[in-house]
Amino acid sequence: NAGVMQNPRHLVRRRGQEARLRCSPMKGHSHVYWYRQLPEEGLKFMVYLQKENIIDESGMPKERFSAEFPKEGPSILRIQQVVRGDSAAYFCASSPLGTGGTEAFFGQGTRLTVV
Amino acid sequence: GDSVTQMEGPVTLSEEAFLTINCTYTATGYPSLFWYVQYPGEGLQLLLKATKADDKGSNKGFEATYRKETTSFHLEKGSVQVSDSAVYFCALNGGGSYIPTFGRGTSLIVHP
Repeated sequence: NAGVMQNPRHLVRRRGQEARLRCSPMKGHSHVYWYRQLPEEGLKFMVYLQKENIIDESGMPKERFSAEFPKEGPSILRIQQVVRGDSAAYFCASSPLGTGGTEAFFGQGTRLTVV
Repeated sequence: GDSVTQMEGPVTLSEEAFLTINCTYTATGYPSLFWYVQYPGEGLQLLLKATKADDKGSNKGFEATYRKETTSFHLEKGSVQVSDSAVYFCALNGGGSYIPTFGRGTSLIVHP
């Protein structure tokens, strides 16, 4: 049973380009969370999705950032017109249930560098 | 909303020393509590968990007890190794929020 798969592991973008980060949850998991980790900082929640639904996007910047989790295929975190401040590690986590105290399983992360 | 507070690092210890990393939480309801570990360049891995008051989670020599009266879940290990050097995150889920909530992480550095 494969774990949470994120790709790419490393992504370099020039300022103004678009970044697309992909996350395939564990088999049987229908809940996906995206977090951002900046150097020397903790994990900041960005967005919580279920299949075809955004449940909570309270941690997402209002502009340039969007996320989706289609019926088929991976969840995508999209950053348009990237700026240097977007450089960070982005982690995806999945769980089988959205509540009830189950643990979240993490991917290896995508390290985005904006040059 | 739910929140987790853990001690700031880095925590620097010599090999075989005793480790404590403090974690306290605020939550409505009765959350489950977790410790995750992150090695350099990697994602977070679940280290241990406890789902109700007075439960003790344990794994690889690490332990933490769910203390409802003090809203705490401190991580302990009797004798650390160099290979334990990593960042440790305290987390909760299933309290007032359906979103796993993490502390800021505590960096542990163990010297030979």
